[in-house]
Formats: sequence, C-alpha cells, structure tokens
Amino acid sequence: GAGVSQSPSNKVTEKGKDVELRCDPISGHTALYWYRQSLGQGLEFLIYFQGNSAPDKSGLPSDRFSAERTGGSVSTLTIQRTQQEDSAVYLCASRQTGVTEAFFGQGTRLTVV
Amino acid sequence: SQQGEEDPQALSIQEGENATMNCSYKTSINNLQWYRQNSGRGLVHLILIRSNEREKHSGRLRVTLDTSKKSSSLLITASRAADTASYFCATAVKAAGNKLTFGGGTRVLVKP
Repeated sequence: GAGVSQSPSNKVTEKGKDVELRCDPISGHTALYWYRQSLGQGLEFLIYFQGNSAPDKSGLPSDRFSAERTGGSVSTLTIQRTQQEDSAVYLCASRQTGVTEAFFGQGTRLTVV
Repeated sequence: SQQGEEDPQALSIQEGENATMNCSYKTSINNLQWYRQNSGRGLVHLILIRSNEREKHSGRLRVTLDTSKKSSSLLITASRAADTASYFCATAVKAAGNKLTFGGGTRVLVKP
C-alpha cells in the first residue's frame, strides 16, 4: 500500500475483554514501532521490531500487552483483559533500514468502557 | 522517563510571527527528527538532523542541534494558521538500534 494502514480506526470494548490491533507497514520497511498516546500527551514507546532481531519490548506496560510481527510485515498488538487506563490512541510506524524518517498510520482509538 | 522533552508545552502566536520550540534529550543520539501531528492522529515527518550537523533548513523550517548541550530547536518562520498542530521531537539512539523515542510535544496555536 501507499502508506501505513491501521485497523480498526476506532474500537470500543468492555473492560476485561481482549482486543487486537493491526498494523500493515509500508512494503519493504524493516522497522516497525508501536506507540501509545493518551489525550493531549506525548507518544509512549511500546515495542520496536527491527528486521530479524529480537524485538525491543521494553515499553510494554504490563504482561497484558503483547505484539507480534509475522513474516516481517503485518504486526498485531494484543491487549488482554483490557482496563480503562488502556484507553488511548495506539499508533504504528514503519521505517526503512538505515537512518531515515518513520511513517505513521492514522492510529486506532481504543476506548475501554 | 522521556528521552526528549519539549519546551514550551504550549505556544500561542499571531499569524506571521515566528514560533520557536526546544527539545532536550539525555543520551547520545544518531539523529534527531521533528514531527507534526494534527488532530491527535498520525504524525508526519518534518525534518531530520544528524548528530554531526548543526543546522538545517527546509522551507520555513529551521532546525538547530547542539550535541554538547543535548538540545535542539525548531523555528517556524512567518507562521500561518495552518501551522496549528502539535510538534514532537524524536531521537534515534544508535545503541538501541535506532529506536525512535518521542518527547511530550509542543502544542502550537497560530491565530489568524
């Protein structure tokens, strides 16, 4: 595709349910990032995939959060047993190998009720 | 804690004025990038400055980098109402595989 695609755009879920957020990066981009942004705040780093290297999971806030990247392309961020504090916009970005800019998707707005 | 911290958190100016915002960071970096965000959704890359560069221009944007002070500034000249957005700096840390870490952002309001 022409850009980074995230789905769904919006997700409302009940507290305690599991959710999956999807990111389709730009074809050929080896690096993929997930960030979380609460209203009016900065971007909180969650996880970083770089090629075949082990992902940097240092930003995942709890063991309820996990992410995978299949075949070096599509990534899924899973939040288990969602809590109200998980409500935020989840942003995905991808980047080519080397020192280059990151391209962002439009994000998934998650609301836990 | 955030690798990059922007200052000020919010800025309100009149159209035609210049807007300046600053970013400080903690560890050695490979490069520093500035992004813009409208309406709390996807970010758009504005400009990248490498650690061995001191100043860079792109249209009405001017970025400086002082690695001795671990700080950068973004200047938007002759601002327009359409420049109203949040602006974020992001640092790429070589030791972390060029992971991008963002600051809290500066919310800029340009009044017509």
